[in-house]
Amino acid sequence: KAGVTQTPRYLIKTRGQQVTLSCSPISGHRSVSWYQQTPGQGLQFLFEYFSETQRNKGNFPGRFSGRQFSNSRSEMNVSTLELGDSALYLCASSMTHTGELFFGEGSRLTVL
Amino acid sequence: GENVEQHPSTLSVQEGDSAVIKCTYSDSASNYFPWYKQELGKGPQLIIDIRSNVGEKKDQRIAVTLNKTAKHFSLHITETQPEDSAVYFCAASAISGSARQLTFGSGTQLTVLP
Repeated sequence: KAGVTQTPRYLIKTRGQQVTLSCSPISGHRSVSWYQQTPGQGLQFLFEYFSETQRNKGNFPGRFSGRQFSNSRSEMNVSTLELGDSALYLCASSMTHTGELFFGEGSRLTVL
Repeated sequence: GENVEQHPSTLSVQEGDSAVIKCTYSDSASNYFPWYKQELGKGPQLIIDIRSNVGEKKDQRIAVTLNKTAKHFSLHITETQPEDSAVYFCAASAISGSARQLTFGSGTQLTVLP
């Protein structure tokens, strides 16, 4: 059974640009969550989607947004990139929003 | 909101010894406590979890204990092996009917010396 797949794995952007990251959950999983991982702040919750609805949102500015499609695949978007947005963005899926959470390998974003 | 503290930040043990990592949480509503292992260049991997209706759970060399009164939980790894070397994260979550978010500890870099 394939795990959580995130694309792209690595990307470099410049300040002011925007970026879209993609996540394909484990087959059958309907809940997708996004986390940001940085050396300074650790792992921080961004948002959770279940059945195409945002169920919960972390304490991030409105530049961070996401969505989930009918096939459970999810995307997150960061607009007007800042240097501090450089991080590993992790997607995680679970069968329901009460089940175990399985993470992908992440998308490493570098903002120059 | 929830706050999770994790200790120690680094831990070195000899191969075959035991390792213990401790976490405390602040929100009494938290009822789900997973542990993740993250190897270099990879995403966190769930290794064990515990829910608030049990006090201890074991899976081969790994065990987790939970003390809800004191609001702390611990990871115990016995007979450590070099491949156990990684960063370990604890997390806490209050699973409600509509949403769940994990609050993570700051991580423990475990090094198992051969």
